[in-house]
Amino acid sequence: EIVLTQSPATLSLSPGERATLSCRASQSVNNYLAWYQQKPGQAPRLLIYNASNRATGIPARFSGSGSGTDFTLTISSLEPEDFAVYYCLQRSNWPPWTFGQGTKVEIK
Amino acid sequence: EVQLLESGGGLVQPGGSLRLSCAVSGFIFDNYAMSWVRQAPGKGLEWVSGKSGSDGTTYYADSVKGRFTISRDNSKNMLYLQMNSLRAEDTAVYYCAKDRYLVVTAIYDYWGQGTLVTVSS
Repeated sequence: EIVLTQSPATLSLSPGERATLSCRASQSVNNYLAWYQQKPGQAPRLLIYNASNRATGIPARFSGSGSGTDFTLTISSLEPEDFAVYYCLQRSNWPPWTFGQGTKVEIK
Repeated sequence: EVQLLESGGGLVQPGGSLRLSCAVSGFIFDNYAMSWVRQAPGKGLEWVSGKSGSDGTTYYADSVKGRFTISRDNSKNMLYLQMNSLRAEDTAVYYCAKDRYLVVTAIYDYWGQGTLVTVSS
C-alpha cells in the first residue's frame, strides 16, 4: 500500500498570500495524483487530477505540479473561501486508493 | 444537475448491520464507476469500496473486506453499501462519490453530502 505524507499539517497564512502544500509518496505514483479540498461540514471537492490538471470550474489560482514521489499544490493568492483542509490521493497502485492525512490551511 | 443523496446511516450496535443507499441523478449512471469514501469524526478521508460501471468489478479496502458489500442497481440509479459485522472503528461519515470514468480511478468529480454511521453499544 502506498503511503502519502502531507506537509505541513497546518499552514497559517493571510488572505492574498501564496500557499504551498506538499504531498510525498512512499513509492513512485508517476503522475497519478489528485488533490481534494474539504471545508467544514462539506463533502470533498476535486481540485486537481493527474498531478496538474485542474478540474472543471476550479480557479486558475490553484495549480498542481510534481511527478514520481513529490507533489505540490500551490494556491497563488489565497481567497477567504480557500481556507480549508486539502488532501492528496494516489491512484497509481490500487486497491487501495489512498489519501494523505491532510493539510489544514488556516487564517493567520 | 448531478445529484448524489445518501441515506441509511444511523446508530447500530457492534456486530450489527446497516445498508447505505445513494440515489443519483443528472448523469447516465451505467457509464460511471462509483465508490464509497468514509471519514471518521475529526479524521481524514479513507477510501472504502468502488465498483465499475461496466463489468461491475468491485474493490474493497482491507479494513472492510469480507464484511462490506458494494452493489449498484443501474435500473434504479442506486448505489448501495451493505455493512455487516460492524465495529466501533467503522464509525464515520460515509460519502458516495461519482468517478470521472467507467472504471474506478478515484478521480471523484461529484460527491454526496454524506451519511453518519455510529457503531456503539
